[in-house]
Amino acid sequence: GENVEQHPSTLSVQEGDSAVIKCTYSDSASNYFPWYKQELGKGPQLIIDIRSNVGEKKDQRIAVTLNKTAKHFSLHITETQPEDSAVYFCAVPPWGKLQFGAGTQVVVTP
Amino acid sequence: DADVTQTPRNRITKTGKRIMLECSQTKGHDRMYWYRQDPGLGLRLIYYSFDVKDINKGEISDGYSVSRQAQAKFSLSLESAIPNQTALYFCATSSTQQGFSTGELFFGEGSRLTVL
Repeated sequence: GENVEQHPSTLSVQEGDSAVIKCTYSDSASNYFPWYKQELGKGPQLIIDIRSNVGEKKDQRIAVTLNKTAKHFSLHITETQPEDSAVYFCAVPPWGKLQFGAGTQVVVTP
Repeated sequence: DADVTQTPRNRITKTGKRIMLECSQTKGHDRMYWYRQDPGLGLRLIYYSFDVKDINKGEISDGYSVSRQAQAKFSLSLESAIPNQTALYFCATSSTQQGFSTGELFFGEGSRLTVL
C-alpha cells in the first residue's frame, strides 16, 4: 500500500512566525492530498486539500504546496496564532481509504 | 448536536471482555469508517463500509469486527479485548458523488478505550 512519511513530529514556533510540515509519499498515482487538524479532545477536521493538477493552494493563513516529481507536499501556516496549536495530519489516497501520516504536534508559544 | 456521534466516549475494561463502540451519523453519508489512533502512529484504518451491505477490512482488522446496522449506524466490536488495543478510536463518514468519494472525511470526537 501507500507509504506516507510526515516530518517533523513536533514543531514549536513563536507566535507570528511561520510553520512548515512536510509529507512524502510513495505512490506516483496519488492525486489528492489533504491536511487535517486535530484539536485537543476532538476528531480531525479537514483544513485544506489539493489535487494533483495544481501546485499550490491558499486559504487565508494556510497553504499547501505539491511537488509531484519529488512526491512530497507541505502545509504552510503563516502568522501563527495560539489557536493554531494542534496536531496536524497529512493523508494520501486511495480515495475513500485515506492513509494518514504519523502527525505533527504544533505548539505556538506567545 | 454532533453530526457523527460516538458512544461511549471513554471506556475502561479488562482483558478478555467483549466491547462494542457505536457510531451514528446524521450527515446522510453512505461511507463509514473506523480508525484507530496511537501516539506516533497516526490514524490507521480498521474497517470501512461503502454502503449497508458492504464491509471491508482495513490495514489493522485483526481482533476487531464491525456491523453496519443501517446507513446511519456502524459499530466496532472487540470480541476479546487485549491491552494492546488500548487506543483512541474514531468513526468517520464521507459522501459520494456519482458513486465516487468526494474525499473529505468527517470524524466523530473519538472513543478512548483502556484495556487493563
